[in-house]
Amino acid sequence: GIQVEQSPPDLILQEGANSTLRCNFSDSVNNLQWFHQNPWGQLINLFYIPSGTKQNGRLSATTVATERYSLLYISSSQTTDSGVYFCAGRSGGTSYGKLTFGQGTILTVHP
Amino acid sequence: GAVVSQHPSRVICKSGTSVKIECRSLDFQATTMFWYRQFPKQSLMLMATSNEGSKATYEQGVEKDKFLINHASLTLSTLTVTSAHPEDSSFYICSASQLTGNQPQHFGDGTRLSIL
Repeated sequence: GIQVEQSPPDLILQEGANSTLRCNFSDSVNNLQWFHQNPWGQLINLFYIPSGTKQNGRLSATTVATERYSLLYISSSQTTDSGVYFCAGRSGGTSYGKLTFGQGTILTVHP
Repeated sequence: GAVVSQHPSRVICKSGTSVKIECRSLDFQATTMFWYRQFPKQSLMLMATSNEGSKATYEQGVEKDKFLINHASLTLSTLTVTSAHPEDSSFYICSASQLTGNQPQHFGDGTRLSIL
């Protein structure tokens, strides 16, 4: 299966700062998703972005499939953005859709 | 749309008990559902792929007799942890896709299982 690596593992920000989270994957993917896991464990689906760029409010994401990476941008961070951010990819060779998760980025936003 | 409901959200039970967790796709049909496990401060690890009307596919190292999966309809998959022990305590999350192929996966809210 594919390997998914996220960086940085930990990120501490002051409220209002911008940040970029990165996800590298070892093989081509036909599904790439970004999630925010809140303190209760719920996985919030941020983006489904196998390629291209999408924006949703203060968040945006870009996937460059040919170079096997994806970026998640958080602008004007707020304390409620704190939590763990995961990216997960599905290899193009996988026939039944299982996702492989990265190890996550723990984001802490201080007021 | 594309809501996945998981129940129960939390279970606390004694060692040796069997626990059933349900995963339902509320507004779409899912021929395939997935079961993940997450230990504290770790990522999600796929346990098995649940296929409607056929046997589940288990990942390496996951005991199929320990974690029974049933996917009897296009909207319901169940995971039963049989004879649970404290080391089975974990956070279990299911997901489903609307179609096979290039569709996002939608996740339930997870079940926190604590075995005493």
